[in-house]
Amino acid sequence: QKEVEQNSGPLSVPEGAIASLNCTYSDRGSQSFFWYRQYSGKSPELIMSIYSNGDKEDGRFTAQLNKASQYVSLLIRDSQPSDSATYLCAVSPFSGGYNKLIFGAGTRLAVHP
Amino acid sequence: GAVVSQHPSWVICKSGTSVKIECRSLDFQATTMFWYRQFPKQSLMLMATSNEGSKATYEQGVEKDKFLINHASLTLSTLTVTSAHPEDSSFYICSAILQRGVNEQFFGPGTRLTVL
Repeated sequence: QKEVEQNSGPLSVPEGAIASLNCTYSDRGSQSFFWYRQYSGKSPELIMSIYSNGDKEDGRFTAQLNKASQYVSLLIRDSQPSDSATYLCAVSPFSGGYNKLIFGAGTRLAVHP
Repeated sequence: GAVVSQHPSWVICKSGTSVKIECRSLDFQATTMFWYRQFPKQSLMLMATSNEGSKATYEQGVEKDKFLINHASLTLSTLTVTSAHPEDSSFYICSAILQRGVNEQFFGPGTRLTVL
């Protein structure tokens, strides 16, 4: 079983719609959760971090965490073509060592005009 | 803040040669840096954790004698790919932590290595 799982996509949404990206993780003791955006040929860029259950909003982005279900999601409101990228979910495992992150394979998002 | 640079951005070398990649934290001191490798259409795979002043911690399956990591200062970590072969061709990315106790990692722009 993969430690961090994401649907590879592509997830295709029209401009202005809400894009919903999902991630599940296997290490129940994980404490820190992150969403990164990666454009083709570029390195990842941190979008959101979330540490406690519930929702965390930052502009058009909302991260949601449910530790009981071992599930974290990212909502992108008013999606724009510039949001088209691969979104990586990253988890800091409980037993993984100091500050280590485990990345999912990423979900490719395509926002079409 | 939290700017991480890498040099070179791309490199082409012949099989059997060694290549050094530098990772620098430009506006902060990074006691811990990480090195990742990413093959096309795959996710990031952590290679090693680099701690200033101590030996790097390598992930299972990563050859420490092939991928030499040195973290000699609080702003610089280097990855040397020794005796590179075509299968080592990949996108190498480093990251750094802004402050101890906070797990957010900030990534450098990456180095694309092509071994002929």
